[in-house]
Amino acid sequence: GQQLNQSPQSMFIQEGEDVSMNCTSSSIFNTWLWYKQDPGEGPVLLIALYKAGELTSNGRLTAQFGITRKDSFLNISASIPSDVGIYFCAGGMNYGGSQGNLIFGKGTKLSVKP
Amino acid sequence: EADIYQTPRYLVIGTGKKITLECSQTMGHDKMYWYQQDPGMELHLIHYSYGVNSTEKGDLSSESTVSRIRTEHFPLTLESARPSHTSQYLCASSETLGFNEQFFGPGTRLTVL
Repeated sequence: GQQLNQSPQSMFIQEGEDVSMNCTSSSIFNTWLWYKQDPGEGPVLLIALYKAGELTSNGRLTAQFGITRKDSFLNISASIPSDVGIYFCAGGMNYGGSQGNLIFGKGTKLSVKP
Repeated sequence: EADIYQTPRYLVIGTGKKITLECSQTMGHDKMYWYQQDPGMELHLIHYSYGVNSTEKGDLSSESTVSRIRTEHFPLTLESARPSHTSQYLCASSETLGFNEQFFGPGTRLTVL
């Protein structure tokens, strides 16, 4: 089945640093979504992308839908302590107007540098 | 703001007990999903539904069962819980047509002793 490669698997951040993560796939998608999950909670949708080449921001977060439709990246600028958590990418396809199920990456865990 | 609810949030039970995890949404979404997730790990789709009276198995085999008698309600049942069922269970919903955005509930953390 389809798989997403999300990297890095984990990273440590220092307050004020910029953070980048990405997802790649061997298959094309027509939707890319980015979620954040805090411990003990469900994932929360951060950004949704629906068009190849689209660049969308949500506050300090910026995400792009790759031109090939096989990748997406998420940037966090000037990180703050509450940015820690697990970030998941997800790719989706519509078939004749009806949704397919989302394919999720394995997550990027953001932690604070000790 | 997503309106999807799960109860209980935490459940500790003994082996062999029957349990039902509740999930309800007030967004009128047709599609609903159940995911299983070990702490800090990837999401595994175990069940989904296109609407009332529709249930489908997901990518990960699960001994749980689901039902969809009402649009807003998608409960998950384990007939006989085992320690291997210990995990977090996440419910989600989305529109059937158009956008793929799934909205998640807060999850139920299940521990089977």
